[in-house]
Amino acid sequence: NAGVTQTPKFQVLKTGQSMTLQCAQDMNHEYMSWYRQDPGMGLRLIHYSVGAGITDQGEVPNGYNVSRSTTEDFPLRLLSAAPSQTSVYFCASSYGTAAYEQYFGPGTRLTVT
Amino acid sequence: AQTVTQSQPEMSVQEAETVTLSCTYDTSESDYYLFWYKQPPSRQMILVIRQEAYKQQNATENRFSVNFQKAAKSFSLKISDSQLGDAAMYFCAYCPEFNNAGNMLTFGGGTRLMVKP
Repeated sequence: NAGVTQTPKFQVLKTGQSMTLQCAQDMNHEYMSWYRQDPGMGLRLIHYSVGAGITDQGEVPNGYNVSRSTTEDFPLRLLSAAPSQTSVYFCASSYGTAAYEQYFGPGTRLTVT
Repeated sequence: AQTVTQSQPEMSVQEAETVTLSCTYDTSESDYYLFWYKQPPSRQMILVIRQEAYKQQNATENRFSVNFQKAAKSFSLKISDSQLGDAAMYFCAYCPEFNNAGNMLTFGGGTRLMVKP
């Protein structure tokens, strides 16, 4: 079991560029989420999915898009990168409701110049 | 909206000693879960301990235990016999039992724990 994997680990973008952060899990989890981590603010939810074909917005969704065509994959797209999107991004997955543990990927450090 | 507050940005402890990290939260829900996560320099988020709000008994995992005070909305983490490997950022997190946001965790701002040899 690889668990939750994220690529790339590091990325530098110029303002206005677009890119996709990849997230995959091999645990057959229905629930997947994207968080961003900024200093002093903990992690904040960007988007989430409760199953293939179902996505919704979290606390800080602006500037990001997601899709969930398979159970395994949940990519996060930055449409036009801005310096305010400089952050560490975490993908997480869980089997079901709050009673189940969330598993986090290793994170992607993104810098937008 | 739920909020989670960690009032100690940094703490330090001598190796083998005990340290307590504080966390308070605000919610109108009666059924929820509380968590402590550890984030070492590797960035990996590691679940340390979990508490179900309906359980009066405080959760314990080896050297880690919590003091859960539901009425006061307080959830502190006690680390006993601190080890060098305990040095990390610690995040307190909250999740309501029933929610429409895919098990959204609400995190506190974190406490950086330093362990002195």
